[in-house]
Amino acid sequence: SQQGEEDPQALSIQEGENATMNCSYKTSINNLQWYRQNSGRGLVHLILIRSNEREKHSGRLRVTLDTSKKSSSLLITASRAADTASYFCATAISGGSYIPTFGRGTSLIVHP
Amino acid sequence: DTAVSQTPKYLVTQMGNDKSIKCEQNLGHDTMYWYKQDSKKFLKIMFSYNNKELIINETVPNRFSPKSPDKAHLNLHINSLELGDSAVYFCASSPRRGGTDTQYFGPGTRLTVL
Repeated sequence: SQQGEEDPQALSIQEGENATMNCSYKTSINNLQWYRQNSGRGLVHLILIRSNEREKHSGRLRVTLDTSKKSSSLLITASRAADTASYFCATAISGGSYIPTFGRGTSLIVHP
Repeated sequence: DTAVSQTPKYLVTQMGNDKSIKCEQNLGHDTMYWYKQDSKKFLKIMFSYNNKELIINETVPNRFSPKSPDKAHLNLHINSLELGDSAVYFCASSPRRGGTDTQYFGPGTRLTVL
């Protein structure tokens, strides 16, 4: 089964700055989802982008998908201290049975 | 109105013991999952059930046995606990099986094996 790999592993920024994290995967996908995990909590779904979409927005979040490079990015604009969390991407393989695959996540710290 | 709940939240036990973790979802979803998150935050799927039927079993030792008495519950029983079983275990659910659905996660159960 394929795996999404997030990069960087850790990111530390000041409040108000933008945060960008990336996800790379290995084989063709149906869709890619981004999740957030606050410390000591379960994952919370943020956004889903389908393989025929290139960009999607939700509030301060912008997700892009480049299927030719097999990569996706999550941009958080005007970050807040409350955005401090780990961010994971999850992929669903094209034409295969759905085995959700997550990476190790990007740990984001936003300093007030 | 917790959507996906797990009990217990923390579990500390000795090597060799048998323990269970319970999961319930009140979302009316057909599909439920168990994940293991290790100390490096790597999240790995263990099992998935769809309408009480096992659909995913990802090379998990047979000391781990999931049980789904109905589609709202998916429990995880672990026999002969080992040190390497220490991790956070997450239950999740989704409306249907398949990759287009959002998964809803429980708060996790932190298992520590001494």
